[in-house]
Amino acid sequence: KAGVTQTPRYLIKTRGQQVTLSCSPISGHRSVSWYQQTPGQGLQFLFEYFSETQRNKGNFPGRFSGRQFSNSRSEMNVSTLELGDSALYLCASSPGQSSYNSPLHFGNGTRLTVT
Amino acid sequence: AQKVTQAQTEISVVEKEDVTLDCVYETRDTTYYLFWYKQPPSGELVFLIRRNSFDEQNEISGRYSWNFQKSTSSFNFTITASQVVDSAVYFCALRRGGSQGNLIFGKGTKLSVKP
Repeated sequence: KAGVTQTPRYLIKTRGQQVTLSCSPISGHRSVSWYQQTPGQGLQFLFEYFSETQRNKGNFPGRFSGRQFSNSRSEMNVSTLELGDSALYLCASSPGQSSYNSPLHFGNGTRLTVT
Repeated sequence: AQKVTQAQTEISVVEKEDVTLDCVYETRDTTYYLFWYKQPPSGELVFLIRRNSFDEQNEISGRYSWNFQKSTSSFNFTITASQVVDSAVYFCALRRGGSQGNLIFGKGTKLSVKP
């Protein structure tokens, strides 16, 4: 069974630009979560989607948004990039709505560098 | 508020030594879940174990063992006879029960196992 796939693996953008990251969950998984990892703040929750609906959101500005498609694939978008948005963005999937009892399965992440 | 503390930022051991990674958590919930993840240099977070708040039974899986003590709000992880392949960053995480099920991570402990 294929794991969580994130594309692209690496990305370099300039301040003020916008970026879209993609995540394909494990086949059959319907919940997708996004996390940001930085050396200073560690791993922080961005948002979670289930059946195309945002179910939970972390404490990030509105420049960070996401969506989930009918095939459970998810994208996250960051607009008006700032230097502080440089981070490893991790996507995770889990089987279903009661996902709090299931472990999250993470992808390899997208390394975003903002210059 | 929910919080996870991993006081050990970095640990260095020589192969075959035993090592314990500490994790202390804070929550007012009666139902919650605790996790350990391993992050090798590739970036992917690898799930190791999940424990719910009603199950204080310790667990052993090969060279890995976990000690969950609600009385001290700790969920420590021990690697017996460490190997170079164990070198990674290890994260402890807390998840509340219910719909707000995002993971709250500790800052991680970087383990270096030298030959």
